[in-house]
Amino acid sequence: KQEVTQIPAALSVPEGENLVLNCSFTDSAIYNLQWFRQDPGKGLTSLLLIQSSQREQTSGRLNASLDKSSGRSTLYIAASQPGDSATYLCAESSNNDMRFGAGTRLTVKP
Amino acid sequence: KAGVTQTPRYLIKTRGQQVTLSCSPISGHRSVSWYQQTPGQGLQFLFEYFSETQRNKGNFPGRFSGRQFSNSRSEMNVSTLELGDSALYLCASSWGDLRSYEQYFGPGTRLTVT
Repeated sequence: KQEVTQIPAALSVPEGENLVLNCSFTDSAIYNLQWFRQDPGKGLTSLLLIQSSQREQTSGRLNASLDKSSGRSTLYIAASQPGDSATYLCAESSNNDMRFGAGTRLTVKP
Repeated sequence: KAGVTQTPRYLIKTRGQQVTLSCSPISGHRSVSWYQQTPGQGLQFLFEYFSETQRNKGNFPGRFSGRQFSNSRSEMNVSTLELGDSALYLCASSWGDLRSYEQYFGPGTRLTVT
């Protein structure tokens, strides 16, 4: 069974700290990997999409990397802010569907 | 540009009933996907529609069905509701199929089955 795993499940950091969220997947035939944030009770907001042929994508303070050979992706958040507090999910798209990790719940303390 | 909209936002149904949820994609988007989110199972893919055709379907029973109209709006139907169907149902739209294009999600419909 193909799986997507996110570690850690929860993370609490002081404002201003740089941090890394991890995502691992078992499906070697992915087409892309996408990172989302979800605020409580709301839908998902797309952060970054990395195609399988790419190594990384950047948007503002966010940088996502993809290593297909090792089945890993990381989301790097620079200079974290309280407004970054949310649950971050990664999802990989393969031939037939899209699989999500359980998410990392991030709390950035002022 | 308006985002993905879902109606209704909240719904309470009883076991055995059926329910229809609606999703209006971002203008110009031709692909709509549906997902179920529960505390126990997390986010799971239900199905994807592109140009009125179901392209892919997740591992859900036949009670879950959907369709897409010529204007790309999509509906999802669940028949013979069970308590375990209580969940947040999310739809997402994109320019093309989910293997290649970024997914934009709606706020979801929270379904409670009593």
